[in-house]
Amino acid sequence: QQPVQSPQAVILREGEDAVINCSSSKALYSVHWYRQKHGEAPVFLMILLKGGEQKGHEKISASFNEKKQQSSLYLTASQLSYSGTYFCGTEREDKLIFGTGTRLQVFP
Amino acid sequence: DTGVSQDPRHKITKRGQNVTFRCDPISEHNRLYWYRQTLGQGPEFLTYFQNEAQLEKSRLLSDRFSAERPKGSFSTLEIQRTEQGDSAMYLCASSLAAGPTDTQYFGPGTRLTVL
Repeated sequence: QQPVQSPQAVILREGEDAVINCSSSKALYSVHWYRQKHGEAPVFLMILLKGGEQKGHEKISASFNEKKQQSSLYLTASQLSYSGTYFCGTEREDKLIFGTGTRLQVFP
Repeated sequence: DTGVSQDPRHKITKRGQNVTFRCDPISEHNRLYWYRQTLGQGPEFLTYFQNEAQLEKSRLLSDRFSAERPKGSFSTLEIQRTEQGDSAMYLCASSLAAGPTDTQYFGPGTRLTVL
């Protein structure tokens, strides 16, 4: 069963913040975050391997709560380039099971 | 390093025809994955290789689908007797499986349209 992401869609003005959540009914051993723009391949953002781990890349960061089987992606001071669909993925027997996706649109 | 490449980028075919897609992974990556993505959905795993060995196939992969990675470098995905339901984006990804990290890097995909 695939991870469930919330919200399904987010609309932001440039400079606003957003949080995308990823929840799994099964144990999460690692969480991978990707961003995909329309018609393009998913682009790797970051991977979290341990519960409690937090990572950041520029103004995008993520946390991983292993006990709650959840991960959250934080986008701070959003830029137009952040627009796209964000997917979390969890590793299961060497393959990635992708979440339901969150579509993010940033307007000027 | 030029990243993962796929060819062709677009393929339009008639129902019943066979199609073949190629994926060139990042050099020295030992794992290669195939995924299928339909509009509005996340990529769904199809199969993967470690070097030349095909280690797992999803039940999504019917008998009409076959994948190879003959020399442990590039891979091909063939669909025989295509059906309209095969229309999708076919994505290839590669990784260097080493320790706990196995980051997959995706190619641009091949968009298949079956008429």
